Amino acid sequence: GAVVSQHPSWVICKSGTSVKIECRSLDFQATTMFWYRQFPKQSLMLMATSNEGSKATYEQGVEKDKFLINHASLTLSTLTVTSAHPEDSSFYICSAIRVVNEQFFGPGTRLTVL
Amino acid sequence: GQQVMQIPQYQHVQEGEDFTTYCNSSTTLSNIQWYKQRPGGHPVFLIQLVKSGEVKKQKRLTFQFGEAKKNSSLHITATQTTDVGTYFCAGPRAGGTSYGKLTFGQGTILTVHP
Repeated sequence: GAVVSQHPSWVICKSGTSVKIECRSLDFQATTMFWYRQFPKQSLMLMATSNEGSKATYEQGVEKDKFLINHASLTLSTLTVTSAHPEDSSFYICSAIRVVNEQFFGPGTRLTVL
Repeated sequence: GQQVMQIPQYQHVQEGEDFTTYCNSSTTLSNIQWYKQRPGGHPVFLIQLVKSGEVKKQKRLTFQFGEAKKNSSLHITATQTTDVGTYFCAGPRAGGTSYGKLTFGQGTILTVHP
């Protein structure tokens, strides 16, 4: 099956610093990727849609200046959490679409902000 | 907006017992997808149902899509400890700008006692 990787798998940072998370589709090209966050024992909440070659579209309530998304190529999307604070601590998961309705998830990045 | 509700939120069973989780959408869905997320892991695609009244089986797992395409169920026969995890249903969002976007149910956390 299709493979989506994420890096890093976990990160601990100090409050006020920025953290970049990479999402790569390893064996297919993805014009569209999604970024989710998930709190413990809760569902996945869609944060934004990352489109190659155009600006990301954000879900209502998600601060675009805080969660910067760049879809630099057909295999790479990055999410930068700027000026991270403890409340940003969460599990961030990306997914990529290979064909319509076939979505593959990355392994996730666990962010802890001290 | 579209809501996808899933019950129960938690289910504890003894190994060998059956398990069922139910998913209900506030809107008619073009398809419904099911995912499994192991503890500490990421969602893994299980199946997609498209047709009204469709029933699909994967070994001990039986998936059903309602006639009205607004509800679905996942039934596991004779659970095993390897079935532990959270089971999510997800439906595609309606709307022209929603390509690939999914609305996830809250998930059912399954615990299997040996």
